Amino acid sequence: DAKTTQPNSMESNEEEPVHLPCNHSTISGTDYIHWYRQLPSQGPEYVIHGLTSNVNNRMASLAIAEDRKSSTLILHRATLRDAAVYYCILSQWGSQGNLIFGKGTKLSVKP
Amino acid sequence: GAVVSQHPSRVICKSGTSVKIECRSLDFQATTMFWYRQFPKQSLMLMATSNEGSKATYEQGVEKDKFLINHASLTLSTLTVTSAHPEDSSFYICSARDMGSEGRDGYTFGSGTRLTVV
Repeated sequence: DAKTTQPNSMESNEEEPVHLPCNHSTISGTDYIHWYRQLPSQGPEYVIHGLTSNVNNRMASLAIAEDRKSSTLILHRATLRDAAVYYCILSQWGSQGNLIFGKGTKLSVKP
Repeated sequence: GAVVSQHPSRVICKSGTSVKIECRSLDFQATTMFWYRQFPKQSLMLMATSNEGSKATYEQGVEKDKFLINHASLTLSTLTVTSAHPEDSSFYICSARDMGSEGRDGYTFGSGTRLTVV
């Protein structure tokens, strides 16, 4: 699986937007970009995923660069409950493979 | 949405004893389940891949005789830590794969089990 690079940590103020970047310069044409987050002492939680087009759901938006070598997870209004470690992961849909977790970005949200 | 139930959430056991952790897919059939281990302030590390009706595939460095995995049905996989030692103390997380439609994310995680070996 292709590797991803994320900043170790980021800070945000409550109710402000947050942009979490991810670089994946070796992404293949069939790799989907997945984002998961892990709150303290819990299992990871699905956030969003996409292939080429930008995606929106109730939790977040995913902006994918035209060359697909990077992507950005956007939390439109950060809340204290969004404080977590966010993982950007590449995986081929339909494969029997697992998700390989990198170190992720630890997001802190200040009130 | 898909739900994976993992039990127990927390367990303390004595050194040398065995502990079983259960992972159930509640509303879908999981042909493949994954077991991860996470040490404090570290990321998740895959231990093994469990396929229903067949032997699990272990990652390099993971002792298959120590971490017994059974995936006897499409909704249940178990991880047994045998002869546990303090260094096995960790956060264990299971994940189930649902090979559904493309529009649905295929990985759902349990809430994790905090194992402490004393």
